[in-house]
Amino acid sequence: KNEVEQSPQNLTAQEGEFITINCSYSVGISALHWLQQHPGGGIVSLFMLSSGKKKHGRLIATINIQEKHSSLHITASHPRDSAVYICAVSGLYGGSQGNLIFGKGTKLSVKP
Amino acid sequence: GAGVSQSPSNKVTEKGKDVELRCDPISGHTALYWYRQSLGQGLEFLIYFQGNSAPDKSGLPSDRFSAERTGGSVSTLTIQRTQQEDSAVYLCASSFYRVGTEAFFGQGTRLTVV
Repeated sequence: KNEVEQSPQNLTAQEGEFITINCSYSVGISALHWLQQHPGGGIVSLFMLSSGKKKHGRLIATINIQEKHSSLHITASHPRDSAVYICAVSGLYGGSQGNLIFGKGTKLSVKP
Repeated sequence: GAGVSQSPSNKVTEKGKDVELRCDPISGHTALYWYRQSLGQGLEFLIYFQGNSAPDKSGLPSDRFSAERTGGSVSTLTIQRTQQEDSAVYLCASSFYRVGTEAFFGQGTRLTVV
């Protein structure tokens, strides 16, 4: 079982739809990251969460530490939101402090 | 610079040649990470540097891969005798060394071995 699981793997939406991407993890963490990767390959860090909720523009990220679950929401989706969204966790485990474990990503395609 | 800088952005090399990929982290960041993303795969940890500590090399896939970090700043990932399966996007990230701090990513180097 992967330590970080994302769902769905692929998501197609119509412009304007509300989108939710989910991330579940099985390890103890100190922080969870949501990343965005555009087709050109560059990665942008969207959020880092250790508790509660953060909002940036049309993007909202929430985390429930007890349930080991996070969600990324996109309101009023737009074709430019089309990208791969990656969940990653960081924490203290094994012998490698600070290592990030990544989910496999959710490929979002927003149709006009 | 303002962000993590990687060079080159794209590299095409012939099978069997050596390549060097460079990462300039954000000034002051003590932690530096290398990851790679093969086509259709998730991000895979390669190596992690933290300050002057011995690096965590547990993710390096073979002894053809090595990395250095000079002066606690710039890092170079070297792949010797490249193989076609080395083709991937190689990503570098850096952060302050505090548990849970945000990692900043470079744009990556797309390596193609022909």
